[in-house]
Amino acid sequence: AQRVTQPEKLLSVFKGAPVELKCNYSYSGSPELFWYVQYSRQRLQLLLRHISRESIKGFTADLNKGETSFHLKKPFAQEEDSAMYYCALSRQGAQKLVFGQGTRLTINP
Amino acid sequence: NAGVMQNPRHLVRRRGQEARLRCSPMKGHSHVYWYRQLPEEGLKFMVYLQKENIIDESGMPKERFSAEFPKEGPSILRIQQVVRGDSAAYFCASSPDRGTEAFFGQGTRLTVV
Repeated sequence: AQRVTQPEKLLSVFKGAPVELKCNYSYSGSPELFWYVQYSRQRLQLLLRHISRESIKGFTADLNKGETSFHLKKPFAQEEDSAMYYCALSRQGAQKLVFGQGTRLTINP
Repeated sequence: NAGVMQNPRHLVRRRGQEARLRCSPMKGHSHVYWYRQLPEEGLKFMVYLQKENIIDESGMPKERFSAEFPKEGPSILRIQQVVRGDSAAYFCASSPDRGTEAFFGQGTRLTVV
């Protein structure tokens, strides 16, 4: 069965500190992995996807197939990074997303 | 482009009533997806529609729930005879093609009293 696990419901770090939001998945084939972000009072939006291998707003995420993980990292957190973050996966080429429960990230000044 | 529009943003229904949730996709998008988010949980896929066709309804409850995406007009998620357990946030997303990025609406928060 497809499953995405985000072990931390809440994560709080200080501005300028490194951030890592954990995501583990279970999937029998080759999935596509995504990170979505929802800022306060805004809609859910795609932050990055593993196939594009981009860095968006200073965030990166590397797919580790051995550990079945797709952790989201940023070396220096900023206050505007405070938001709800969701990890998600889909079968390659498909659009049906399986979401984790989300991690609420708070950046303290 | 105004983005994916969902209305109403908040909907209160008494048990046994019907709830109709509307989703207008982005201009040029013919693929629509509905997700439900129960309290303290992640979004769960319900149904995927392309104009006038249901492509994948594997996440839809077998009873009381239906969805449509007519040739003209918004996509509608319909819940008949609502129960307290239907209280959730319902999100719609749209994409121009299968496999391309889907853009989400702001959601409809349904409360059943």
